[in-house]
Amino acid sequence: KNEVEQSPQNLTAQEGEFITINCSYSVGISALHWLQQHPGGGIVSLFMLSSGKKKHGRLIATINIQEKHSSLHITASHPRDSAVYICAPGYSGGGADGLTFGKGTHLIIQP
Amino acid sequence: NAGVTQTPKFQVLKTGQSMTLQCAQDMNHEYMSWYRQDPGMGLRLIHYSVGAGITDQGEVPNGYNVSRSTTEDFPLRLLSAAPSQTSVYFCASSYSQATGNSPLHFGNGTRLTVT
Repeated sequence: KNEVEQSPQNLTAQEGEFITINCSYSVGISALHWLQQHPGGGIVSLFMLSSGKKKHGRLIATINIQEKHSSLHITASHPRDSAVYICAPGYSGGGADGLTFGKGTHLIIQP
Repeated sequence: NAGVTQTPKFQVLKTGQSMTLQCAQDMNHEYMSWYRQDPGMGLRLIHYSVGAGITDQGEVPNGYNVSRSTTEDFPLRLLSAAPSQTSVYFCASSYSQATGNSPLHFGNGTRLTVT
C-alpha cells in the first residue's frame, strides 16, 4: 500500500502570500490527483498529473516521478482559497488499489 | 448536468437502525464508489462498482451493502448502524475504472451521526 505524507498538516497565511503544499509517496504511480475540500463542502478535483507541471489560474501543481514527490502552489493567495487540500497518488489498476488519499493540508488565508 | 448527487446531506440514526444513502450521477460513468472520511484520516474506500451489476469491496466494507442495478445509481445501505459508522460519506464517479489516472467526480457528502 502506498504511504502518503502531506506537509504541512496545517497552514495559516496572510492574503497575497505564495503557498506551497507538499506530497510524498512511497510507491511508483501512474498519476497523482490534487483535490480541494471547502469547509462543510464537497470535494473538487483540481489536477491530475503524471509528469511535469500543470497550471490553472493561480494554482500550479508539479510532480517529480523519480523522487516520488508533488507540490501544489497557490500564487497571490486569497481567503477563498481557505480549504483542505488532499493529494491522492494513483495506480492504473483502479478499484481498491486505485487511489490512496493523504490526510490533507488545512489551509487558512487571513485577509 | 447535475454531476454526482448525494442525499441526504445530514442524517442522525440510533444504534441498530438501518438506512440507505443515495447516490446518482448523470455523466454515464461506469465507475462509482463510496468513501468515508474520518478526522485525522484520509478518505477510505468502502465499496465500488465498475458497471451495472458489478460491485466489489474496498478497504472498509464491513457493515455496509451496495448494489448497482443501473449505471446512474449506486446506493449505500447501512444494515444496523453503529456509533463507529459516524462519519462523512462521499460518493464518487469516474469515466474509467482506472481511477489511478482518470478524474474523480465527488458528491457533496452526507454527514451521518449514529447515537
